[in-house]
Amino acid sequence: EADIYQTPRYLVIGTGKKITLECSQTMGHDKMYWYQQDPGMELHLIHYSYGVNSTEKGDLSSESTVSRIRTEHFPLTLESARPSHTSQYLCASSEPGAGGWNEQFFGPGTRLTVL
Amino acid sequence: QKEVEQDPGPLSVPEGAIVSLNCTYSNSAFQYFMWYRQYSRKGPELLMYTYSSGNKEDGRFTAQVDKSSKYISLFIRDSQPSDSATYLCAMRGAQKLVFGQGTRLTINP
Repeated sequence: EADIYQTPRYLVIGTGKKITLECSQTMGHDKMYWYQQDPGMELHLIHYSYGVNSTEKGDLSSESTVSRIRTEHFPLTLESARPSHTSQYLCASSEPGAGGWNEQFFGPGTRLTVL
Repeated sequence: QKEVEQDPGPLSVPEGAIVSLNCTYSNSAFQYFMWYRQYSRKGPELLMYTYSSGNKEDGRFTAQVDKSSKYISLFIRDSQPSDSATYLCAMRGAQKLVFGQGTRLTINP
């Protein structure tokens, strides 16, 4: 079954630790995205990729970095976690459709808490 | 000013009620208008999308877009407890999606 997966689902970690949030999709989509979502707030795009070896920063400034070595894999890394990084991180993927439409499919999210 | 404004609620209605969710926007370049549903501890899933102005119906759900007023709505008829979720409007211009804050909806049995 085609899907998009995120691990871990929940992560509680101390300040200063390096973390990697994993995202994988089995739909063969070229475009992938990372969003940050805080309670009661809109989703903010922090990174996106058009394909292998392509990464771009989104609208919201983020200290995280991403890589895209394989089509299906788009991990997000924080070199030194801080309490301000506490948030929900959502991964999504999409494929261009007819007329410029492309539906974004979202993973279940990783809820990160930095103590 | 935010590009997309959505009343965060929360909104609580009895089962069977008609629910109206709304968003306003400021960017006239938006062409695609979407509603996502997000259950607790899940990612958003696309419920409906509309291109340009007009209405679109899918079962108990109706999406309306009024580009002249920069206003979109989602109507839920015969609401069910399973409709309890956060509903996010989203809009797309050239490349990116812009989301509203989401409205938390609870349908009480």
